[in-house]
Amino acid sequence: DSGVTQTPKHLITATGQRVTLRCSPRSGDLSVYWYQQSLDQGLQFLIQYYNGEERAKGNILERFSAQQFPDLHSELNLSSLELGDSALYFCASSVGLAGSSGQFFGPGTRLTVL
Amino acid sequence: TQLLEQSPQFLSIQEGENLTVYCNSSSVFSSLQWYRQEPGEGPVLLVTVVTGGEVKKLKRLTFQFGDARKDSSLHITAAQPGDTGLYLCAGAVGNAGKSTFGDGTTLTVKP
Repeated sequence: DSGVTQTPKHLITATGQRVTLRCSPRSGDLSVYWYQQSLDQGLQFLIQYYNGEERAKGNILERFSAQQFPDLHSELNLSSLELGDSALYFCASSVGLAGSSGQFFGPGTRLTVL
Repeated sequence: TQLLEQSPQFLSIQEGENLTVYCNSSSVFSSLQWYRQEPGEGPVLLVTVVTGGEVKKLKRLTFQFGDARKDSSLHITAAQPGDTGLYLCAGAVGNAGKSTFGDGTTLTVKP
């Protein structure tokens, strides 16, 4: 158990819909990272928040957005969903800003868009 | 963009064999991590290396960081079926705020 929690574990929805994925970091960790993993794309970095502020952006679509709340939990919002958005979405956390001591990953949310 | 190339992409061996997988880049990293991921689960951090030439051992796993901090290797001795999984390396550059992940090596150890 990494100490990072993600909900829900599974999500099935239809094209065009909007969903919210939730992540609670390990106690004491200030950085939260979001990743997308699909069979043909590997682990793709989406976005990072540090202590409530956006710190780094990766290959995140404009249809996707995220935020980190004062209690440090984070949400990833996916809208106007397409079939290609079906993937595993992971949240990770680390103590510091750069994650240079490693990141701790949650169990993931499996999103299926029908 | 810092790219991490991992090789081989796939590796299938018999229980008891030794193996080495590689993680290479043209960029210099302040630290490098190795993770193992099992299907449907999140990656699990195995080790972090920060000093050029550093060698770390974790039971049957030996991790080495290249002298120039551009590459790393993972050697497994006497592989077991429980070592099966996707091995990912990730490099961090200073306080850039994110790590770059390689595409991974999928290891299958047959009993």
